[in-house]
Amino acid sequence: AQTVTQSQPEMSVQEAETVTLSCTYDTSESDYYLFWYKQPPSRQMILVIRQEAYKQQNATENRFSVNFQKAAKSFSLKISDSQLGDAAMYFCAFIRWGGSEKLVFGKGTKLTVNP
Amino acid sequence: GAVVSQHPSRVICKSGTSVKIECRSLDFQATTMFWYRQFPKQSLMLMATSNEGSKATYEQGVEKDKFLINHASLTLSTLTVTSAHPEDSSFYICSARGGGTLAGAPLEQYFGPGTRLTVT
Repeated sequence: AQTVTQSQPEMSVQEAETVTLSCTYDTSESDYYLFWYKQPPSRQMILVIRQEAYKQQNATENRFSVNFQKAAKSFSLKISDSQLGDAAMYFCAFIRWGGSEKLVFGKGTKLTVNP
Repeated sequence: GAVVSQHPSRVICKSGTSVKIECRSLDFQATTMFWYRQFPKQSLMLMATSNEGSKATYEQGVEKDKFLINHASLTLSTLTVTSAHPEDSSFYICSARGGGTLAGAPLEQYFGPGTRLTVT
């Protein structure tokens, strides 16, 4: 069974600074996707970024980028130029390729952005 | 992007009554929908996977007779909490599987805004 671990229950960052959220996962699969979801106070889940395991290049989406280390089974999220609107719960998630389509979520990291 | 709605957004019901939550994909056909439960300050817990026209697949520990799921069309799935009790109070989120282009690739899931259920 796959597991996703987020070791930082809470993180804080100053506005305009950079912060990195950690995520590790455990799987015996070789083909899979990884995601970072954001859940603001509204509780709406928002996809931030996705990474295909077969791609060596790290995914980027504007101010959001990942550091995907497949051998280490690590998938961290870097938020650059943090904004107040980035304050939210962030969940790391895993899904297998071609098999079960269940998302496996980590426990989440609460990000606070200080003005 | 694809939009998923849930109705109601908030509901308060009395202990012993049943409540139905609807999940709709507004601009795409969803062959699979997922129902999650989220406790305060916790992650999402998958309750069941709902496939259009077939019985839902429940996760271990989820009571099938208490949480009735119906996926009658490609755009609508419903979760009915039967004989609700205060411990059923929670935030319920649905997601719908969207279309993909790569064979074998997991299809993207789009989340609804959630429903807060309070049982008094």
